Amino acid sequence: EDKVVQSPLSLVVHEGDTVTLNCSYEVTNFRSLLWYKQEKKAPTFLFMLTSSGIEKKSGRLSSILDKKELFSILNITATQTGDSAIYLCAVAGGTSYGKLTFGQGTILTVHP
Amino acid sequence: GAVVSQHPSWVICKSGTSVKIECRSLDFQATTMFWYRQFPKQSLMLMATSNEGSKATYEQGVEKDKFLINHASLTLSTLTVTSAHPEDSSFYICSARVSGRGGDTQYFGPGTRLTVL
Repeated sequence: EDKVVQSPLSLVVHEGDTVTLNCSYEVTNFRSLLWYKQEKKAPTFLFMLTSSGIEKKSGRLSSILDKKELFSILNITATQTGDSAIYLCAVAGGTSYGKLTFGQGTILTVHP
Repeated sequence: GAVVSQHPSWVICKSGTSVKIECRSLDFQATTMFWYRQFPKQSLMLMATSNEGSKATYEQGVEKDKFLINHASLTLSTLTVTSAHPEDSSFYICSARVSGRGGDTQYFGPGTRLTVL
């Protein structure tokens, strides 16, 4: 059975701090790993990673994948209160339908 | 990114009634859409995979007679919660699969909050 585990499950920081969110996985026929941010509504897409060692960057957010050790990290530097959200890691594998297996999510709270 | 809409965004209904939720891909065609359910402070739980022109594939433990899925066109999938009960109250989210050179991505609709009284 495919499995995705995120850590920590929750994190409380102050504005300006840097955070690292972790995602490890066990998936047959790995295709890609995706990071999403969820605030009050549905998840919004952040990154898709398919190759090891290539960092993807968008502003203060960056992410990298290690296919040998089967994990990914999402970094957020200089956090702001608007970064408070649930961060979801999902892995696509197995069937050709593109089904995603989601981790439990990390609840990030950034205090002013 | 691709835009996915859902309608309605929230619905309140009486126990025993049926509720239909629509999921549309607005600026692209989606042969595959997915339906998820999410409880407060929990992750997304995949309910079923909806393929245009064929029967949906349901995840283990999801009753296909209770959660009817129809993917009648390349831009529309519907989820009907039949004979809804209070325990069906949840946040229902759809997504549409987009295939690209780098791989497949899913874009999510804004979700529908269902409350069954």
